[in-house]
Amino acid sequence: NAGVTQTPKFQVLKTGQSMTLQCAQDMNHNSMYWYRQDPGMGLRLIYYSASEGTTDKGEVPNGYNVSRLNKREFSLRLESAAPSQTSVYFCASSGQNYGYTFGSGTRLTVV
Amino acid sequence: AQSVSQHNHHVILSEAASLELGCNYSYGGTVNLFWYVQYPGQHLQLLLKYFSGDPLVKGIKGFEAEFIKSKFSFNLRKPSVQWSDTAEYFCAVNRGGYSSASKIIFGSGTRLSIRP
Repeated sequence: NAGVTQTPKFQVLKTGQSMTLQCAQDMNHNSMYWYRQDPGMGLRLIYYSASEGTTDKGEVPNGYNVSRLNKREFSLRLESAAPSQTSVYFCASSGQNYGYTFGSGTRLTVV
Repeated sequence: AQSVSQHNHHVILSEAASLELGCNYSYGGTVNLFWYVQYPGQHLQLLLKYFSGDPLVKGIKGFEAEFIKSKFSFNLRKPSVQWSDTAEYFCAVNRGGYSSASKIIFGSGTRLSIRP
């Protein structure tokens, strides 16, 4: 099925551990995004990639890095996880119709 | 910078009641506007979108929204809600134009609870 695939769906990390969240889309979209969702704060943009080979910071980039590996894949890395990064992370992609297609999310807990 | 305000954080209605969720945005240029819905435990899904043309936009599941440019508003409405409409609703905006790279800014969301 066409769409945005995120892995893993759930993850528990200890403070200081690192991990990479994976995202892939098969809709030939140019743009991809990483958001975090926290209660009462909506979705906040972490990083985005307008096209293959480019990445830019969003509203809350501190503590994260990204890689646009190719047109399909856009990964988010936490180098040293902190409890403040406990959140639900959503990847999204967009094409010429301007709307987003979202992945199913990764629920991350940092203890 | 763009921003989106959703003033209702939690709305509780009975089945068959009418719904209106407020959304205001701040941006002086051309905008695209969206409403997304997130059912419990699921990801966001697009309800409806406005790019240009008729300011009254009809979406899925009987929802509609009206773009009022002079008020910078894009309120979501439904004449008669159902229990299955229980979800969180997000208003969102990005810059209008032809770039697919224009990032979307989301409001903080409105939680809708429907009493059976």
